[in-house]
Amino acid sequence: EAGVVQSPRYKIIEKKQPVAFWCNPISGHNTLYWYLQNLGQGPELLIRYENEEAVDDSQLPKDRFSAERLKGVDSTLKIQPAELGDSAVYLCASSKTGSTVFGPGTRLTVL
Amino acid sequence: AQSVTQLDSHVSVSEGTPVLLRCNYSSSYSPSLFWYVQHPNKGLQLLLKYTSAATLVKGINGFEAEFKKSETSFHLTKPSAHMSDAAEYFCVVSDHSSHGQNFVFGPGTRLSVLP
Repeated sequence: EAGVVQSPRYKIIEKKQPVAFWCNPISGHNTLYWYLQNLGQGPELLIRYENEEAVDDSQLPKDRFSAERLKGVDSTLKIQPAELGDSAVYLCASSKTGSTVFGPGTRLTVL
Repeated sequence: AQSVTQLDSHVSVSEGTPVLLRCNYSSSYSPSLFWYVQHPNKGLQLLLKYTSAATLVKGINGFEAEFKKSETSFHLTKPSAHMSDAAEYFCVVSDHSSHGQNFVFGPGTRLSVLP
C-alpha cells in the first residue's frame, strides 16, 4: 500500500512569493489533515477535512493560508504571500477509523 | 482542552541500556494516547497507541508504554536501546470533540544513543 504522498519535498522561496503544497492521501482515507511543524517542536494542526468538507480550520491563518480538497481525495495548501516565519515543515496526514498515517512532509524555507 | 507535556527535551542513553521517555497529558475526555517516532527527514511513524483497552501497550521495535490514569502519564520504555532508536519521539493525545478526532502533539523528546 502506498503511503501519503507529498510534493515537493523541499521548497525554497523568497518572502512575499506564493507557494503551494500538494498531498495525495492513502486510498479510501476520508479524513485529511495539514499540520505545521516548526523546528524543534511538535506538529500543530492547521486544517482537517472530512471528505471535501473542512471541519476544523480554526488554526489556519486565513489572511495568507488557504486549502482545498475539491474531490475529497488529494489536497492543496497554499500560502500567499509567504513570510520569513513560515519556514517550517508542512505535514499531511490521512486517516480512516482511527488509523492515521503521516506523509514525509514538505520543508519550506523562506528567504 | 487537551495538552501534552514531555518532561525531557533530550535524553541520552548508551546502547544496550534501558530507555525511558516521559509523557504527561491533560484531557477533558477519555483520551486515546499515541507515541510517534520521527527520524531525520522522515515521516512520523506510529510506535503504539492506547485506546482504553489494556493499560500496558506493546508497540513496534520493542517499545511499550503504560497508561496510568491516576498519574495522567503515558511513559514510553524499551529494555535495551539500539543505535537505530536515535530519533525524535512525540507523545500525542487524541479525543473526540464537536469537530471529530483531534490530535495534540507534545513538544518532542530527542533520543540520542551512544555507542
